[in-house]
Amino acid sequence: NAGVMQNPRHLVRRRGQEARLRCSPMKGHSHVYWYRQLPEEGLKFMVYLQKENIIDESGMPKERFSAEFPKEGPSILRIQQVVRGDSAAYFCASSPGPGSYNEQFFGPGTRLTVL
Amino acid sequence: AQTVTQSQPEMSVQEAETVTLSCTYDTSESDYYLFWYKQPPSRQMILVIRQEAYKQQNATENRFSVNFQKAAKSFSLKISDSQLGDAAMYFCAYYSGNTPLVFGKGTRLSVIA
Repeated sequence: NAGVMQNPRHLVRRRGQEARLRCSPMKGHSHVYWYRQLPEEGLKFMVYLQKENIIDESGMPKERFSAEFPKEGPSILRIQQVVRGDSAAYFCASSPGPGSYNEQFFGPGTRLTVL
Repeated sequence: AQTVTQSQPEMSVQEAETVTLSCTYDTSESDYYLFWYKQPPSRQMILVIRQEAYKQQNATENRFSVNFQKAAKSFSLKISDSQLGDAAMYFCAYYSGNTPLVFGKGTRLSVIA
């Protein structure tokens, strides 16, 4: 009964490269959320997706960031042309239904370091 | 906009003693949920306890309990009989049907043996 899985756990990129972060929700969960945690900060919401749909992307930077949750396969958070300020821990959470009426289960996070 | 404030960046407690972590929030909603998450050094986010705003009874989970004061918009976490494994960052979070989860900045709890 695997929990939310994220890979890679650690990712190092040079400025200008692309970063791809993957999230496999818990079995039976069709709702995925991405959060970013800067050093010494709480988590900040980025985007909420259901299968093949972006429901809420109000927390996502307008440029360079995109997210998808295809019908098959994991959810992907993509950051193009990374900059040092993108260095953070990125967490994915999943739930069986919308919002936190259903508990969000968090993955272990991906720590992105931009050199 | 909804905000969550944790005014204690760091707290410490002696093993076996009790500690209370503070959280206040701002909202105009009447129906919402409040959560405490624990983040140990592994960085895994672990749900500790949650409270539905429409419930007057304070939530309790073993050694963890909350003091929910809806009128004061206060939601503190009490940890009884503190253990070394309780050392972690603790985040208070808010959710209503109109917003995603909103987190406070966290309180780092140290447990002294």
